[in-house]
Amino acid sequence: AQSVTQPDIHITVSEGASLELRCNYSYGATPYLFWYVQSPGQGLQLLLKYFSGDTLVQGIKGFEAEFKRSQSSFNLRKPSVHWSDAAEYFCAVGGYGGSQGNLIFGKGTKLSVKP
Amino acid sequence: KAGVTQTPRYLIKTRGQQVTLSCSPISGHRSVSWYQQTPGQGLQFLFEYFSETQRNKGNFPGRFSGRQFSNSRSEMNVSTLELGDSALYLCASSLDGIGNQPQHFGDGTRLSIL
Repeated sequence: AQSVTQPDIHITVSEGASLELRCNYSYGATPYLFWYVQSPGQGLQLLLKYFSGDTLVQGIKGFEAEFKRSQSSFNLRKPSVHWSDAAEYFCAVGGYGGSQGNLIFGKGTKLSVKP
Repeated sequence: KAGVTQTPRYLIKTRGQQVTLSCSPISGHRSVSWYQQTPGQGLQFLFEYFSETQRNKGNFPGRFSGRQFSNSRSEMNVSTLELGDSALYLCASSLDGIGNQPQHFGDGTRLSIL
């Protein structure tokens, strides 16, 4: 069965420091991978997506992610974190049955930013 | 371009009642999906509608149902509410739900069961 694992429940980084959020997936075929961010009381905003091609994808707000098939990973990175990046981040996999409408999400990683 | 609109934003019900949540997708989007978000279970897929037909369904009991109208607006209904149904219900839309079209999410409806 398809699944997504985000090993870190909560991460705290200092403002200006680099960030890496981990995501591992289990999927029987070429996955469609996504990272979403959720601020308190709000819905999910798409940061970036991977469908095929270049394994390093750029997203909004200075985020990037690298797809590594051999490690079944799709880690999210940012070189310098801003206080406004504090939020919860979700990795998701889709594409089962050819549809993007039934995403499977990880449990999320909550990011806190120290001044 | 307006985003995905969910109404109402907040709802309080009691056990045994039923509830209907509404979702208006982005103009031109024909795929609408629903998700339940709880602290314990996280984000779980409920169902997806495309062209007024349910295309995919998650692992939820039959008390959870939905429909989609010809204008792509969607409603979700939960009957015989239980305390465990307290959650944030998120709706997402995409052009057709396939290919490289990502989903866009609304801000959700917060349902509280007393």
